[in-house]
Amino acid sequence: GENVEQHPSTLSVQEGDSAVIKCTYSDSASNYFPWYKQELGKGPQLIIDIRSNVGEKKDQRIAVTLNKTAKHFSLHITETQPEDSAVYFCAASKGGTSYGKLTFGQGTILTVHP
Amino acid sequence: GAVVSQHPSWVICKSGTSVKIECRSLDFQATTMFWYRQFPKQSLMLMATSNEGSKATYEQGVEKDKFLINHASLTLSTLTVTSAHPEDSSFYICSARPGPPGRTQYFGPGTRLTVL
Repeated sequence: GENVEQHPSTLSVQEGDSAVIKCTYSDSASNYFPWYKQELGKGPQLIIDIRSNVGEKKDQRIAVTLNKTAKHFSLHITETQPEDSAVYFCAASKGGTSYGKLTFGQGTILTVHP
Repeated sequence: GAVVSQHPSWVICKSGTSVKIECRSLDFQATTMFWYRQFPKQSLMLMATSNEGSKATYEQGVEKDKFLINHASLTLSTLTVTSAHPEDSSFYICSARPGPPGRTQYFGPGTRLTVL
């Protein structure tokens, strides 16, 4: 089955700096890659996603890049703010009979210091 | 848009009792719903996938007789933890996916289950 590795497990930055979180996946058939932000005691919130026919996608301060050949994708957050502090999860899925089942990475605890 | 609710948000029960958790998609129809379990400081572990009107598909190692899933309508799925034990204490999260071709899953706020 699919395996998603996420690094780093913790990331500490100063407010205004950029943060980058990287994920690798094992199944070349995976073609959908969402990123979720989870605050303490809450469910994950979709922040951005990318499909395999696109190499990069940007939404204000957040961007995701995808390298299908290397099977890795990354989340980039610019101009970080204290409210960006949370746990971030990457995930991967493929179509077909899997019904879009997501395989999650281990998560990254992002702390943005004021 | 794309709001998913869960009820209850937290529940405490005695060992041996059963607990039902509801997951609703409030502003869209969900052909597929997913149930996850999350232990403290860990990632989400998929328990099962349910499609409206059909039996749920359970992940390897998840006891289907212990975790009963019903997806009776396009907006409601329920997870019943039967004969709960302390080791079942966890954070249970559902997600809902609108019909194809979209692949996006929208997550509920989670339910904290504590079994005494």
